[in-house]
Amino acid sequence: QAVVTQEPSLTVSPGGTVTLTCGSSAGTVTSGHFPYWFQQKPGQAPRTLIYDSTNKHSWTPARFSGSLLGGKAALTLSGAQPEDEADYYCLLFTSGAAVFGGGTQLTVL
Amino acid sequence: EVQLLESGGGLVQPGGSLRLSCAASGFTFSNYGMTWVRQVPGKGLEWVSAIFGSGDITYYADSVRGRFTISRDNSKNTVYLQMNSLRAEDTAVYYCAKGFGAYAVMPADWGQGTLVTVSS
Repeated sequence: QAVVTQEPSLTVSPGGTVTLTCGSSAGTVTSGHFPYWFQQKPGQAPRTLIYDSTNKHSWTPARFSGSLLGGKAALTLSGAQPEDEADYYCLLFTSGAAVFGGGTQLTVL
Repeated sequence: EVQLLESGGGLVQPGGSLRLSCAASGFTFSNYGMTWVRQVPGKGLEWVSAIFGSGDITYYADSVRGRFTISRDNSKNTVYLQMNSLRAEDTAVYYCAKGFGAYAVMPADWGQGTLVTVSS
């Protein structure tokens, strides 16, 4: 199975913008990988933010958006809030199975 | 409101078996694919298995294929994960999740998880 890669950690200032990316060792990430993005805070179950590259769950704040960018899936946070500090994971469907990235620890500081 | 309640976790010896259950409510169960995801405490997420709403199509991660079996009983609104030949590396919190549709193999709504510990 392909290896899915994410930045291990990123920092964003309050009110700032940051983009997290999700790549695949198998090559370009496309809509056919159905990229998902999840947020997980300490001690909590994950929450789904984005599905099928760009679609938002009913509870996803408007400041989060998903896209395909430069051969990768991307999650952009515009106007970061302190409560956005969390781990973020992407998930790709590839070769008959789904594979998570290693996660990005996002600090809002 | 979607509710997913996992049960069946606990301590099991290496080589042993365990069956996890996930009772669902708040939606028409047979219309949605269901997924199991696990997480070693303090580590990342690992997708484990998924099943279509009809129950006729299943998917597995390479790490569990041949040892784990996912199934569902649409009359009981419950999805199961039968885990055999358990190894220490299967120790994790196991989350049940509902998909966005009948053929969804990726998670939309998550349960709170159940801890499985494989140790002698």
